[in-house]
Amino acid sequence: GAGVSQSPRYKVAKRGQDVALRCDPISGHVSLFWYQQALGQGPEFLTYFQNEAQLDKSGLPSDRFFAERPEGSVSTLKIQRTQQEDSAVYLCASGRQGRVAGELFFGEGSRLTVL
Amino acid sequence: GDSVTQMEGPVTLSEEAFLTINCTYTATGYPSLFWYVQYPGEGLQLLLKATKADDKGSNKGFEATYRKETTSFHLEKGSVQVSDSAVYFCALSDRHNNNDMRFGAGTRLTVKP
Repeated sequence: GAGVSQSPRYKVAKRGQDVALRCDPISGHVSLFWYQQALGQGPEFLTYFQNEAQLDKSGLPSDRFFAERPEGSVSTLKIQRTQQEDSAVYLCASGRQGRVAGELFFGEGSRLTVL
Repeated sequence: GDSVTQMEGPVTLSEEAFLTINCTYTATGYPSLFWYVQYPGEGLQLLLKATKADDKGSNKGFEATYRKETTSFHLEKGSVQVSDSAVYFCALSDRHNNNDMRFGAGTRLTVKP
């Protein structure tokens, strides 16, 4: 597609529910990032993929968070047993390989509200 | 670790006023520096970037110069417009850290007519 697409745009979950957030990156982009953006804050790094390889998951806040990108394109961020503190906008971004400057292209985000 | 600190907002200006949003960084390597902008209801988009010391990034009348000696990348615009109202994020990407992008907390700018 023309840009990074994320779904759902809005998700309301009851505490304890599992959620899955999907990201369709720009076709051909090798790098894919997930960020968490709390209200009034900047995006916080969660995890990074290069193709299907998850090279950095140091930002995932707990073992309830899991991300995958099995075929090197679409990625899914899964949150198990959601808690209220998980409420945030989850941003996906993709980038071209080999770009020294590392420009990222962002989706509009998935806003998760945990009740 | 690498980090970015930017001027807290919100910032409110009248149209045609001069804008400065301060940004300083901490990095172990030689990062590339960015300003991203988030307009209401939209995703983040790149505004400008600089990849090495003394480089100046510019776009849409905005400018920022990569100052290694002061570890800064301040955003400036000589005459803001109402359409510049948005949240501005300073960010860095360090090649020695898997190219992941680290963002500041964002500065909300409101320009009044």
